Amino acid sequence: AQTVTQSQPEMSVQEAETVTLSCTYDTSESDYYLFWYKQPPSRQMILVIRQEAYKQQNATENRFSVNFQKAAKSFSLKISDSQLGDAAMYFCAYFTGTASKLTFGTGTRLQVTL
Amino acid sequence: DSGVTQTPKHLITATGQRVTLRCSPRSGDLSVYWYQQSLDQGLQFLIQYYNGEERAKGNILERFSAQQFPDLHSELNLSSLELGDSALYFCASSVGGGTGYTFGSGTRLTVV
Repeated sequence: AQTVTQSQPEMSVQEAETVTLSCTYDTSESDYYLFWYKQPPSRQMILVIRQEAYKQQNATENRFSVNFQKAAKSFSLKISDSQLGDAAMYFCAYFTGTASKLTFGTGTRLQVTL
Repeated sequence: DSGVTQTPKHLITATGQRVTLRCSPRSGDLSVYWYQQSLDQGLQFLIQYYNGEERAKGNILERFSAQQFPDLHSELNLSSLELGDSALYFCASSVGGGTGYTFGSGTRLTVV
């Protein structure tokens, strides 16, 4: 079974600084997709960034970028120039067509301080 | 507005009762997924429907059932409710799982 592990329950970053959230996953599949979702206090689930496993190039969306290490099964999220609005719970997620479902990690709560 | 509509937003009911949660997927999406998020927990996959047919099942209790109708909206039925069923229930839709899911705003169920 596929598992997603987020080893950092909580992280803190100062405004305008950079923070990296870690995620590892376990799979025997070669074709899959990885995602980071943001859940602010409103509890809405918002897609932040998506990575296709067959693409070596790391995905980037504005201030958000990933470091995808396929051999190490690692998928970290880097947030640059952190803003107060970035404070949220961040979930790493994995999808493969074989399982036909998105599997989530347990989340990392990010606090942004002044 | 994500395009995925869930109703009701809040629901308070007593133990032993039955409730129905409703979800309308984003226009064009054939897949609907249901997830449960208990307090400060991750999201647990319950069930997926694709164009009216059950496609995948997670750790969904026998007291829970779901269906997807011809107009593609979906309903999650929860019966014989227990205190532990109190949670945020999300519906999500996608055109294909690899593109990512679009989530609704959730239904917060409180069982008292």
